[in-house]
Formats: sequence, structure tokens, C-alpha cells
Amino acid sequence: GEDVEQSLFLSVREGDSSVINCTYTDSSSTYLYWYKQEPGAGLQLLTYIFSNMDMKQDQRLTVLLNKKDKHLSLRIADTQTGDSAIYFCAESPPGPLGAGSYQLTFGKGTKLSVIP
Amino acid sequence: SQTIHQWPATLVQPVGSPLSLECTVEGTSNPNLYWYRQAAGRGLQLLFYSVGIGQISSEVPQNLSASRPQDRQFILSSKKLLLSDSGFYLCAWTGQDKNEQFFGPGTRLTVL
Repeated sequence: GEDVEQSLFLSVREGDSSVINCTYTDSSSTYLYWYKQEPGAGLQLLTYIFSNMDMKQDQRLTVLLNKKDKHLSLRIADTQTGDSAIYFCAESPPGPLGAGSYQLTFGKGTKLSVIP
Repeated sequence: SQTIHQWPATLVQPVGSPLSLECTVEGTSNPNLYWYRQAAGRGLQLLFYSVGIGQISSEVPQNLSASRPQDRQFILSSKKLLLSDSGFYLCAWTGQDKNEQFFGPGTRLTVL
């Protein structure tokens, strides 16, 4: 079945780079996502990558996709205290589920702690 | 621009009481709508999704139900809450670009 795995915790010093890793099992996944959740808040879509890409960069964020190994990573450059949050990896199937619905499968999230 | 609202933000209810959580989306039409639950220390579990008014699909068996009385309104309900219903309930929507799913601020439900 489909599964998305992430390490639960990551701690980095302010100014360093953070790398959050994710593995998934559904080789037919079309899109892979990174969401950020701050305490007590909803999920914020950070970025996503199409499965035929291997890298996407957006300001301080770099997403790397190794489709062969089903491995996705999110690199945050110059990590700031405001980056402290839980980061969720998610995958989506290749097409609509049922009548046009797109179901995402989420990992359990990686809690990033930034040490000042 | 599009916005998504959830009401209430927090709720404390006794076991056996009814539940009604509301989600509304502004600035878009005919969105797909989703209800997720996030239990403590866990990822997100998809509960229901809807592709149109009156169209509800359930992903997991439970004592919860969902309804979509209007295009941009999604309601999560229960007739009798259980302790295990406690959690953080998130509503989400996708618009024309079905690849982007956006989340509301969530409702924290505590069942005592």
C-alpha cells in the first residue's frame, strides 16, 4: 500500500542548512509536496514538485527528488528561528481519485527545531 | 484571492454530545473540499472529500459524517462524540489547479 515515511525530529543551529528527508512507496505518484505547520495552525503549502523533475528551487528552499529511490528531500538554506515548525511530506496519485478528487497521502511530519 | 475559514477554532465537548464543524471557502467556485483529522503525534488522516454539492465520499469508517449543502460550505458532524474523536480537524480545498491543496486554520476538538 501507499506509505510516506519521515524522521520525526531534526535540530539545527540558526544559520545552518536544514535537510528534511522523506521516502514514499507509490512509484506512480505524480506530485510530491512539502507543507509547513506552525504550532496550533493549519498546513501551509511550501512547494511541490512534479515527478518528472529532479530538483526545484524557490528562494531558500530546494527540493530534490530521486525517483529511482523514491526519496524526496527539502533543504532550507540559512535556517532561521521562524522556520521552526513541523514539515510534512505528501504524495498524490497519478490521476483523480473517483470523480475528480485528488487524495494526498501524508507522512507523520518532521519537527524542525532551530537553536538560536 | 481565495481564503478558507473554519469555525470554531477550539471546542471542548462531553462524550456523547453532538458535533458540528464548519468550513467555508471564499474566492473560488466548484472546489474539491476535504476534511482531515490530525491526532496528537500523528500525520493527517483523510476523513471525507467532496467534489460537488451533496457529493460526499468517506475514507474511513467512523461515527462522523460530512455534508456539503452549498458549493463552498463543508460541514463535519457527529450525533454522539467519542473520546477518540479528539484531535485537530483540518479542512482543505483544491481549485482549478487540482495539484495544489490549501488548508484552513483548523479546529481543535477536545472530547472529555
